[in-house]
Amino acid sequence: EAQVTQNPRYLITVTGKKLTVTCSQNMNHEYMSWYRQDPGLGLRQIYYSMNVEVTDKGDVPEGYKVSRKEKRNFPLILESPSPNQTSLYFCASSLWGTSGKDTQYFGPGTRLTVL
Amino acid sequence: SQKIEQNSEALNIQEGKTATLTCNYTNYSPAYLQWYRQDPGRGPVFLLLIRENEKEKRKERLKVTFDTTLKQSLFHITASQPADSATYLCALVGNSGYALNFGKGTSLLVTP
Repeated sequence: EAQVTQNPRYLITVTGKKLTVTCSQNMNHEYMSWYRQDPGLGLRQIYYSMNVEVTDKGDVPEGYKVSRKEKRNFPLILESPSPNQTSLYFCASSLWGTSGKDTQYFGPGTRLTVL
Repeated sequence: SQKIEQNSEALNIQEGKTATLTCNYTNYSPAYLQWYRQDPGRGPVFLLLIRENEKEKRKERLKVTFDTTLKQSLFHITASQPADSATYLCALVGNSGYALNFGKGTSLLVTP
């Protein structure tokens, strides 16, 4: 089954404790991205990657890091989480960017709480 | 700055009626516009894409229109059902060409 998976689905952590949210897709997609979704603010892009070793900032990259060492994986790293990073996070992938030739496939989401 | 505006008020309609949702945008020159559906706590799911040279697109009970002069897209669900209750998001590619920007979505509630 074609899908985007994220782990963990739920995470409660404390301020400053480094964490990684994994994202994996099995569709051989070049493009992957991370979004956060907050009430009243909608979906905002954090980082995206056009291909292996190619990443770039989205609208709200502060406090986050990403890496793309393999085509299928795109982990999101919070080196020193803070309470304002409490949010619902989504990973998404598509065949080739946002060219309109294909659709964005979203993962199930990771609900992160930083105390 | 670029903006995508969707009606923030929830839309409540009776089963069987047609739901119409609006997406307005500013400072975009889109080649296409996308609509997604999102259920609570779940990831958005793609529904339809309409290109700038297409005035209208249909898929089963869904219809989307795109007016680049008015800078507006309308999303219609005909013969609505309670299962259509969800939040509907419109999305446009930002100036970078590599980011999909979403509106905040409109919540639709279809009651029996």
